Amino acid sequence: DADVTQTPRNRITKTGKRIMLECSQTKGHDRMYWYRQDPGLGLRLIYYSFDVKDINKGEISDGYSVSRQAQAKFSLSLESAIPNQTALYFCATSAPGQGYNQPQHFGDGTRLSIL
Amino acid sequence: ILNVEQSPQSLHVQEGDSTNFTCSFPSSNFYALHWYRWETAKSPEALFVMTLNGDEKKKGRISATLNTKEGYSYLYIKGSQPEDSATYLCAFKNTGNQFYFGTGTSLTVIP
Repeated sequence: DADVTQTPRNRITKTGKRIMLECSQTKGHDRMYWYRQDPGLGLRLIYYSFDVKDINKGEISDGYSVSRQAQAKFSLSLESAIPNQTALYFCATSAPGQGYNQPQHFGDGTRLSIL
Repeated sequence: ILNVEQSPQSLHVQEGDSTNFTCSFPSSNFYALHWYRWETAKSPEALFVMTLNGDEKKKGRISATLNTKEGYSYLYIKGSQPEDSATYLCAFKNTGNQFYFGTGTSLTVIP
């Protein structure tokens, strides 16, 4: 079983719908991240959380919200989806480490298409 | 917006050839540089985490070097094999809390 699990793996929906992408992990890591990947662009950080009570905006948080329900769960919501949010979304985790020397561990991604 | 550039964008090499590619990042406020290997239809997997100027890391036939003063890191693959075909991503972290990823170098190793 994957250590970082994203659901759903694929989703097609319509403009204006509310969407939730879920991420759960069995690695026991405190830190969790949501990224999106668009063709021709690098992975861009949407939100990150260093523990259950800590939520931080990333580079491109507008139009998104997150919830850290437990150490192992970090959900990403699109309140009212729009077509330019069509992308591949990744959840990642990392252990706390000195000097950010811990690598990130990625889920398999959620391919989201908004029509 | 912080710029992390990787070159070349794509690369085709013959099996057995050695190759290298570059990640360029801002030289100020450096904290860490990560390399990831991303195979098609899979998730990115960490190769190296580098934090000190002059760092050299090695894993099998793959190695990486880091120059924080001039803002670049090289990834080397010795004797490329078809299973090395993947996109190689670098991610730069400055003294803030965020990582900034490059767009990757897509490597195809031709048998």
